[in-house]
Amino acid sequence: SQQGEEDPQALSIQEGENATMNCSYKTSINNLQWYRQNSGRGLVHLILIRSNEREKHSGRLRVTLDTSKKSSSLLITASRAADTASYFCATDEDNDMRFGAGTRLTVKP
Amino acid sequence: DAGVTQSPTHLIKTRGQQVTLRCSPKSGHDTVSWYQQALGQGPQFIFQYYEEEERQRGNFPDRFSGHQFPNYSSELNVNALLLGDSALYLCASSLTDEKLFFGSGTQLSVL
Repeated sequence: SQQGEEDPQALSIQEGENATMNCSYKTSINNLQWYRQNSGRGLVHLILIRSNEREKHSGRLRVTLDTSKKSSSLLITASRAADTASYFCATDEDNDMRFGAGTRLTVKP
Repeated sequence: DAGVTQSPTHLIKTRGQQVTLRCSPKSGHDTVSWYQQALGQGPQFIFQYYEEEERQRGNFPDRFSGHQFPNYSSELNVNALLLGDSALYLCASSLTDEKLFFGSGTQLSVL
């Protein structure tokens, strides 16, 4: 079963704009992670935020976590065409990671 | 240092056949998880292996089975293939139960 659910399902923006993706989950978590997938191949880990953290940065990525609302957001600033990919949130559940359906981001040059 | 490697990259089978997919984890990783990803969907957790034992299992039928070897490599076996088993099968390794490192996957087509 899926734990996280991303919103929107698809997002199309121009290069240089910011992209925001949201994730909602159902049960309590120890951490929440975001992954990126290009062209249906392997996923690449982007960032991990723990349940006692509210915000985390990594380069052009900013992740927030609101455990009271069971939600997280991923912000990509100054987007590039190379950021075009699917983005998934994942939450830990019984010692394994469960993924949402993802947000398909398209960045137009 | 090689990352997670999966073989084969592509596979075509017919209904009713059996298939074995293989995964070598990232060096030093002792935990292997398998995921099924249908087109346009997120990865669905199949099961996880640690110390050669199945530690966790997702909502998949017994047709899906696996194995982990002493060198931490792993196999995923699927018996009595159905059309609906067509998907990208992803292997991920980890050292703790946190950050996952994924292979490039095996694209399975069942005809």
